[in-house]
Amino acid sequence: NAGVMQNPRHLVRRRGQEARLRCSPMKGHSHVYWYRQLPEEGLKFMVYLQKENIIDESGMPKERFSAEFPKEGPSILRIQQVVRGDSAAYFCASSPSGLWSNQPQHFGDGTRLSIL
Amino acid sequence: GQQVMQIPQYQHVQEGEDFTTYCNSSTTLSNIQWYKQRPGGHPVFLIQLVKSGEVKKQKRLTFQFGEAKKNSSLHITATQTTDVGTYFCAGYNTGNQFYFGTGTSLTVIP
Repeated sequence: NAGVMQNPRHLVRRRGQEARLRCSPMKGHSHVYWYRQLPEEGLKFMVYLQKENIIDESGMPKERFSAEFPKEGPSILRIQQVVRGDSAAYFCASSPSGLWSNQPQHFGDGTRLSIL
Repeated sequence: GQQVMQIPQYQHVQEGEDFTTYCNSSTTLSNIQWYKQRPGGHPVFLIQLVKSGEVKKQKRLTFQFGEAKKNSSLHITATQTTDVGTYFCAGYNTGNQFYFGTGTSLTVIP
C-alpha cells in the first residue's frame, strides 16, 4: 500500500540551477496537488493537475515555475534558475477524485529544497 | 481575497490540559477538513465536516463546524505528548477553491 512518493527527500541547488521535484500519487489516484511550505508557515497551494492537464495553477509564480503530470510517470514540479527565496519544503498530495468532490488529500513526505 | 485564519498561532500546554484551535474563513465554506502535521513530517488528514453545525469526535478530539459554515474548531481533551504538531484546517469555498488555514502549532510540556 504505497502512499504518495516524493523524491528526492532533500535537494540542494546553487543559485541559477534547475530543481526537479517528482511525485508519484497513490495507486488509483489521478489528481495531484503541489504545495509550498516555508519554515513555521502554512501550506500554500501552487497547482492542481490531472493526467496531462493543468486544472488550476493560480498559486504558481508566473516565471521559472512549471508543473506537469504526463500520461506515464510521475508528476514533476520544475523550478528554473533557482533563487534563495525558493528554499522551502514542497509537498505533493493526491486524491482519487478532484477538488470538486471534496475528497481528503493524501500527502507525500515532501522535498526539502535548499538553495546555496 | 479568500482567507482562512487560525488562532492561536502557537499554544503551549501542560500535559493533561485541554487545547482548542479556532479556524475562521472570510467566506462560506462548503466543507472543512482538518490535518495534523508532526514536526518534520507531512500533513495527515484527520476528519472532514460537511453539514452546518456538525460535531464529530475521534477519541479525545472534538471537531465542530459552525452554523454559518465560516468557522470551525478542534478541541483536544487531556493533551498527551503525542498530540504535538501543527493542526491545519482546510476547506473548499463556494467557488470550489481549496484553502489551508494558517495553522496552530501545539507544544505539550510533559
